[in-house]
Amino acid sequence: EAQVTQNPRYLITVTGKKLTVTCSQNMNHEYMSWYRQDPGLGLRQIYYSMNVEVTDKGDVPEGYKVSRKEKRNFPLILESPSPNQTSLYFCASSDSRASHQETQYFGPGTRLLVL
Amino acid sequence: GENVEQHPSTLSVQEGDSAVIKCTYSDSASNYFPWYKQELGKGPQLIIDIRSNVGEKKDQRIAVTLNKTAKHFSLHITETQPEDSAVYFCAASIIGNQFYFGTGTSLTVIP
Repeated sequence: EAQVTQNPRYLITVTGKKLTVTCSQNMNHEYMSWYRQDPGLGLRQIYYSMNVEVTDKGDVPEGYKVSRKEKRNFPLILESPSPNQTSLYFCASSDSRASHQETQYFGPGTRLLVL
Repeated sequence: GENVEQHPSTLSVQEGDSAVIKCTYSDSASNYFPWYKQELGKGPQLIIDIRSNVGEKKDQRIAVTLNKTAKHFSLHITETQPEDSAVYFCAASIIGNQFYFGTGTSLTVIP
C-alpha cells in the first residue's frame, strides 16, 4: 500500500530535550516536505527537499533541522525543543516526475507537546 | 514571499446546496493551486488541483476556477452531502518549490 508513515504519532517531551520525528514514504517520491499545523494558521511549511542531499527552508524553519540521506526518509529534528513548537506536524511527499507531479500525499500526523 | 488568504473560515450549508470557498494569492509566479480536504484526526488529502494554464477544472461534484489576472481561485462543491463536512485548505505553489496554504475553511453540511 502506497503511504507516508510518521513516528511517533504522539509525543510529550520537555524543553531542551532533543527529539526526532521520522518520516518514510514507499512511493519512490523525490519531493518531501514537513509542515506544522496550528489553529487559525493553517499549514505552514518548515522544510522541503527536492531530492537526496537537497533541502530548502520553508516559511518557518527556525528551531528545526532536516536531512535527506535516502530518498524514502526525511526526518525532522528538534535539537532543543521549546513550548512554541507544540503543534501537529505533517510529513508529505510527491512525485516530481509524473504527470500529477504535485499531488502531495500526507502522513497521518505527529502531535507534539513540549512542556 | 507568497501570501494566501482563504474565506470564509466557517461555512454551513444545507444538504444538497452548493458550497463555495475562495482564496487569493499575491505572487504572480505561482502556477499550481491544489485544494485539500482534512477530516478529523487525519492528514490533508488532495481533492482537486489546477495549474495556471487552465481556467477551470471539474471532477464530478467538485470544480475549481482560477482567475490569474485577479489572482484568485475558488472551490465549488455542488449537491453537498454530509460526508463533505471537513476542513478545506487551498494552497499556492511554484511547481517544485515551496507551498503556501490558506488558513482553512470548516464546512458543515446539515442533513
